[in-house]
Amino acid sequence: SQKIEQNSEALNIQEGKTATLTCNYTNYSPAYLQWYRQDPGRGPVFLLLIRENEKEKRKERLKVTFDTTLKQSLFHITASQPADSATYLCALEASRTGTASKLTFGTGTRLQVTL
Amino acid sequence: DTAVSQTPKYLVTQMGNDKSIKCEQNLGHDTMYWYKQDSKKFLKIMFSYNNKELIINETVPNRFSPKSPDKAHLNLHINSLELGDSAVYFCASSQVQGTYEQYFGPGTRLTVT
Repeated sequence: SQKIEQNSEALNIQEGKTATLTCNYTNYSPAYLQWYRQDPGRGPVFLLLIRENEKEKRKERLKVTFDTTLKQSLFHITASQPADSATYLCALEASRTGTASKLTFGTGTRLQVTL
Repeated sequence: DTAVSQTPKYLVTQMGNDKSIKCEQNLGHDTMYWYKQDSKKFLKIMFSYNNKELIINETVPNRFSPKSPDKAHLNLHINSLELGDSAVYFCASSQVQGTYEQYFGPGTRLTVT
């Protein structure tokens, strides 16, 4: 069966360091992979999308890589700040129609950035 | 201006009752979704509508019935509520071009006692 795994334990890092979060998947061939941020008591917020034919995508302090051979995506936050503390979710799309995008979410990794 | 709004934010009710959650988006998107996030924080899609038409219908008990009166609104009606229905329900919307990124509402925390 399809499985999407993210670090189940919280990731604690010091301010200013680079946080690296992992998303591994099995029995899946996603065409797209998205990363979302979720704060307690709020809905997820879209951060980045990467396509299967892209190796890397950047946006400000964020970087996502996508290795379809390893079936893994890495999400990096450089120069991390306490405000980056949140749960980060990866979401895979096997395909999209012209009318909807069916996302399958991982369980998320909670990131805690301390001073 | 709130992009995707849901009401109510909290809903506490007893087993066997029927309840509805409403969702509205002012982003002009054609596609809307309902998700369920359980106590383990696992977010799972339930339904998707495009321009009032049902597009995605996951394996959800038929006690759950979505309704889309127009493309800006997607409501979720739940009959005969059960303890296992307790969760946070999120509405989302997206364009059907570009990244198809989804915009989520604030969630409705449903507690069934």
